[in-house]
Amino acid sequence: GQNIDQPTEMTATEGAIVQINCTYQTSGFNGLFWYQQHAGEAPTFLSYNVLDGLEEKGRFSSFLSRSKGYSYLLLKELQMKDSASYLCAVRGPSQAGTALIFGKGTTLSVSS
Amino acid sequence: EAQVTQNPRYLITVTGKKLTVTCSQNMNHEYMSWYRQDPGLGLRQIYYSMNVEVTDKGDVPEGYKVSRKEKRNFPLILESPSPNQTSLYFCASSKQRGTYEQYFGPGTRLTVT
Repeated sequence: GQNIDQPTEMTATEGAIVQINCTYQTSGFNGLFWYQQHAGEAPTFLSYNVLDGLEEKGRFSSFLSRSKGYSYLLLKELQMKDSASYLCAVRGPSQAGTALIFGKGTTLSVSS
Repeated sequence: EAQVTQNPRYLITVTGKKLTVTCSQNMNHEYMSWYRQDPGLGLRQIYYSMNVEVTDKGDVPEGYKVSRKEKRNFPLILESPSPNQTSLYFCASSKQRGTYEQYFGPGTRLTVT
């Protein structure tokens, strides 16, 4: 079966650091994506991990542990504009046509 | 500007009245996909296309049809819409199916009464 779990909601304050976790159980694994989605808008790409370890991109970092089926997105120096939904998505087996399996998303609220 | 466009952005229709949502990309991408997004359920794939004339079902294909006659266009067809198809629909494209990021269109909010 395919299952991706993320917390439904998180809150944080401006300037803080927040970590959004994602655990997955899929029949195959060929990479994990994080997308950001502001309310009423399209998802936009944040990061991609296929090997274990940390990928850093400015204020955002993403970590992957394939053996644990676990990833997290780390947001530093939070800004009000970071208030959005964060979607974890796993790319399944290469022989399957479906490109991405999405989690239900984590809604992050940043307050001043 | 590289983009994915969808039309219409908003649509209110009645049960049973056939409709088409268009999707077009200008990045020469091979892979295109349709998703629906519902509260508490996240993004779910409806159909995808790996290239021209190659389409296949995603997770929730019932009640939908697609076609891919040209590389840039991937319309979503609802032959007989029902209220349970009220949703936010996104078209997406990527260079290929694999590790490449997907670019999403702006979304189409459909209400079926």
